[in-house]
Amino acid sequence: SQQGEEDPQALSIQEGENATMNCSYKTSINNLQWYRQNSGRGLVHLILIRSNEREKHSGRLRVTLDTSKKSSSLLITASRAADTASYFCATAPNNAGNMLTFGGGTRLMVKP
Amino acid sequence: GAVVSQHPSWVICKSGTSVKIECRSLDFQATTMFWYRQFPKQSLMLMATSNEGSKATYEQGVEKDKFLINHASLTLSTLTVTSAHPEDSSFYICSAPGGVEQFFGPGTRLTVL
Repeated sequence: SQQGEEDPQALSIQEGENATMNCSYKTSINNLQWYRQNSGRGLVHLILIRSNEREKHSGRLRVTLDTSKKSSSLLITASRAADTASYFCATAPNNAGNMLTFGGGTRLMVKP
Repeated sequence: GAVVSQHPSWVICKSGTSVKIECRSLDFQATTMFWYRQFPKQSLMLMATSNEGSKATYEQGVEKDKFLINHASLTLSTLTVTSAHPEDSSFYICSAPGGVEQFFGPGTRLTVL
């Protein structure tokens, strides 16, 4: 079952602009992960943030986590046309082993 | 990182037939694998957890007799869609945990005519 929601559901920006996607979840978690999916393809792991972390960076990606609000955000800076894809957050709930629960996803389009 | 493969990458079948999808962890062992289903423009929905050497655990609303899962070895899990119908047409994705991270297969596109 889906843990929570992402917003926006769709986002269209120009190349060079920043893209921010938000994710909310419902239960206590061990960690939250962000994935990218190109159309009709598998998922690519982008970044993992643990429940005791508040912010993490990886290249042009910046992820924040607010466990008090049960929310996370993914910021892609200086976007490129190649960043066009769907982005999903996934949570690893406490006591759920390795199981992941996915948010609804944000479809990002970066126009050249 | 670790690699998970799926076979076939796409399949078209007639209504009423059964289709088997394989998920393999190529360079690591996985006692647990997960099967997801994804409809167009939607998110991944967990169908079941495949457990090596024991029965799979199905999510609520997923028919275990229709979606047969067999975790035959530490590197192979199979999902068989029995008596497939057009509404079973979807993108099926498996994953295997490698430590904290999950490694996803490339997916199998099933189209039932």
